[in-house]
Amino acid sequence: AQSVTQLGSHVSVSEGALVLLRCNYSSSVPPYLFWYVQYPNQGLQLLLKYTTGATLVKGINGFEAEFKKSETSFHLTKPSAHMSDAAEYFCAVSEKAGTALIFGKGTTLSVSS
Amino acid sequence: DAGVIQSPRHEVTEMGQEVTLRCKPISGHNSLFWYRQTMMRGLELLIYFNNNVPIDDSGMPEDRFSAKMPNASFSTLKIQPSEPRDSAVYFCATLREPHGNTIYFGEGSWLTVV
Repeated sequence: AQSVTQLGSHVSVSEGALVLLRCNYSSSVPPYLFWYVQYPNQGLQLLLKYTTGATLVKGINGFEAEFKKSETSFHLTKPSAHMSDAAEYFCAVSEKAGTALIFGKGTTLSVSS
Repeated sequence: DAGVIQSPRHEVTEMGQEVTLRCKPISGHNSLFWYRQTMMRGLELLIYFNNNVPIDDSGMPEDRFSAKMPNASFSTLKIQPSEPRDSAVYFCATLREPHGNTIYFGEGSWLTVV
């Protein structure tokens, strides 16, 4: 069965600092991996996804993530945090295109000035 | 292009009442998912449909919950009778199969049962 573990339910960084949100997955087949962001009182918005091909994927708002099969990880990074990045971030996995996503518990990112 | 449309956005109801949540998928999307979000359990998949047919309803918590998709442009999630522990945000999400792999979410229905 698939599962996702997000290490750290809350991450705090200063504006301009590196953002690193961790995600590890469990899947019996090559996974499809996703990061979504949720701003307060809103739905989830796709940040980026890995399906096949290049293991470093770039998303919106300067975020990127790298699929590392050997580590079963898909960590999300951004070189320089902005106040507007404060939100909740969810990592998700599916076993094939078009099937339901299994989500991690989420990581709340706080950005201080 | 309109996104996934959910209604109502907010509902407060008394325990024991029937609650119906509605979802209009993005035009052309033929897979539809209902998720529930709570602080304790995070995002849980309740049920998903493909071409209006329920594919996996193993996440539906109990018989008080039911979901239908009578046509390609409408789905409902019903709770009868509602209980305080059903208080949560319910998200509808849709996808175009077979080639799509991005699931698009609605804004959610915020349910409070008192």
